[in-house]
Amino acid sequence: GAVVSQHPSRVICKSGTSVKIECRSLDFQATTMFWYRQFPKQSLMLMATSNEGSKATYEQGVEKDKFLINHASLTLSTLTVTSAHPEDSSFYICSASDSGSQARTQYFGPGTRLTVL
Amino acid sequence: EDKVVQSPLSLVVHEGDTVTLNCSYEVTNFRSLLWYKQEKKAPTFLFMLTSSGIEKKSGRLSSILDKKELFSILNITATQTGDSAIYLCATGGYNAGNMLTFGGGTRLMVKP
Repeated sequence: GAVVSQHPSRVICKSGTSVKIECRSLDFQATTMFWYRQFPKQSLMLMATSNEGSKATYEQGVEKDKFLINHASLTLSTLTVTSAHPEDSSFYICSASDSGSQARTQYFGPGTRLTVL
Repeated sequence: EDKVVQSPLSLVVHEGDTVTLNCSYEVTNFRSLLWYKQEKKAPTFLFMLTSSGIEKKSGRLSSILDKKELFSILNITATQTGDSAIYLCATGGYNAGNMLTFGGGTRLMVKP
């Protein structure tokens, strides 16, 4: 299946700093990528839909100025958590689908565990 | 608002047992239902179901969709400790570029 990578896999930062997480589709192009957040023992919550070349679409309750999304190319989307606070500590996962394939499956990246001290 | 509900929330079985996980949904413009397995990291894809009554199988796992009753089940036969994971059900569109709506997941623990 298609491969999606995320970097970094784990990050620990101080409160008030900004953290950038990258999501890459390694062997396919993705016009759309999705960013999820997952708290311990809970399911995935969609944060935003990242659209290549245009603005991201945010889910209700997700602050767009807090979670900046940039989808500058067909293989890369970035999520920047600005001025991170301890409550932003979570597992962040991206997913993508192959724009050029008939397959209708989304593939997930391995996730990034963010800890804000 | 689209809703996906999974049951049970958690399940503990012994190796060799058969388990059935449930997923019911209420969504507008239903197109597909997907099952994922999540261990320590991100979910891995298991099945995508779009048609009623057609069983999909992969080894000891199988799944079927009932679009009339709006639910799906995931069966695991002869469970192994490696099957311990969270199983997630999600509904999505025909276009994989459509967003997924996830259920709360079922946490399965298989004891030796």
